[in-house]
Amino acid sequence: QSALTQPASVSGSPGQSITISCAGSGSDIGGYRYVSWYQHRPGQAPKLMIFEVTNRPSGVSDRFSGSRSGYTASLTISGLQADDEADYYCASYTTDGTVFGGGTKLTVL
Amino acid sequence: EVRLVQSGAEVKKPGESLRISCQGSGYTFSNYWINWVRQMPGKGLEWMGKIDPRDSYTKYSPSFEGHVIISADKSINTVYLQWDSLKPSDTAVYFCARTLDLDYWGQGTLVNVSS
Repeated sequence: QSALTQPASVSGSPGQSITISCAGSGSDIGGYRYVSWYQHRPGQAPKLMIFEVTNRPSGVSDRFSGSRSGYTASLTISGLQADDEADYYCASYTTDGTVFGGGTKLTVL
Repeated sequence: EVRLVQSGAEVKKPGESLRISCQGSGYTFSNYWINWVRQMPGKGLEWMGKIDPRDSYTKYSPSFEGHVIISADKSINTVYLQWDSLKPSDTAVYFCARTLDLDYWGQGTLVNVSS
């Protein structure tokens, strides 16, 4: 059960858009609709931002959007704000359970 | 309001046993799987396993099977994560989270294993 592949870091200026990729395989991202994204700030519990590839939970800003192409999922954050600075993790269902990506540190310049 | 409340931080010695807990409220506890997720110091999130509180059916990550035990007591809306013999490498923050989507998370339990 290999971890999904995310870039270690991304950065952007306030107001810009950024995209975080999450590469997997047909056994995870490409095979199931249960692909999700989490925002994690130090010392806090992770927060669900996107579920089932494209869906936003109630209360999550529409600046956050999810997509998938083949075996790669993506999280796009538009109109970057300082408060978006955090670690972001993707996750996918597999037959062996859930697998996470390695995490991406987002820095808002 | 859905809440998952975890037990407090633990400091243990290698070889000791430990059980930490995660209590759900604000929803029908038995209707949703509970997952356990590990975060070692400075590292990312790792899925450990999950349990169906209705019947205590469990599924473990191959990386954790045989090293931890996940159990549930649906009468008190609580899921547990247990070690029989802790190692220093078990030092981490452990989170519980609900459902396949991990939609609600506990606040985390810090476990520090040191001689």
